[in-house]
Amino acid sequence: DTEVTQTPKHLVMGMTNKKSLKCEQHMGHRAMYWYKQKAKKPPELMFVYSYEKLSINESVPSRFSPECPNSSLLNLHLHALQPEDSALYLCASSQTRAAINTGELFFGEGSRLTVL
Amino acid sequence: QKEVEQNSGPLSVPEGAIASLNCTYSDRGSQSFFWYRQYSGKSPELIMFIYSNGDKEDGRFTAQLNKASQYVSLLIRDSQPSDSATYLCAVLNTGNQFYFGTGTSLTVIP
Repeated sequence: DTEVTQTPKHLVMGMTNKKSLKCEQHMGHRAMYWYKQKAKKPPELMFVYSYEKLSINESVPSRFSPECPNSSLLNLHLHALQPEDSALYLCASSQTRAAINTGELFFGEGSRLTVL
Repeated sequence: QKEVEQNSGPLSVPEGAIASLNCTYSDRGSQSFFWYRQYSGKSPELIMFIYSNGDKEDGRFTAQLNKASQYVSLLIRDSQPSDSATYLCAVLNTGNQFYFGTGTSLTVIP
């Protein structure tokens, strides 16, 4: 099983809504990532979890709240978003050994978010 | 200076030609290099990785790495219209972080 699964694939929400994006992998990877990607731009790193602990937060606004309930799951909780937050949100995972990345990033298919 | 730089293109090549995509990186100690292909509206998919100096071939794709010049490239032989996509160069640097270039948009003209 070499998949990273993201749900939902599409999400439309208002600025006052609370929603969550979910990500799951069963490859035994202990590093998981959230990226944000706008059209015609490269993926932009938001958060990194290493061994279920938040290791990197790239100065992301608090209206985005990550959570890693266990080694297979990664959530991104959304609250009071702005229209400019509309983007493709990509989850990824990577294999690690003693918290050092040993291979490539495996991406999920992404969640396309539209904020009205 | 950005960690990873690519020519953004767009790059257009006729069908059957060789497409050459280039990438430079700033962290001299980086050890792992990846090429991802991304179709519009889809997520990036890995097409090649390379760790050692020299060439690595996989089908129509060849990755080339020159650590002394801090340069990595991707050649696509016999380009097909289905190769039309954005190609992202990614580098795993000495800080154990992945950095992406801005991507090169490739169009293969039938």
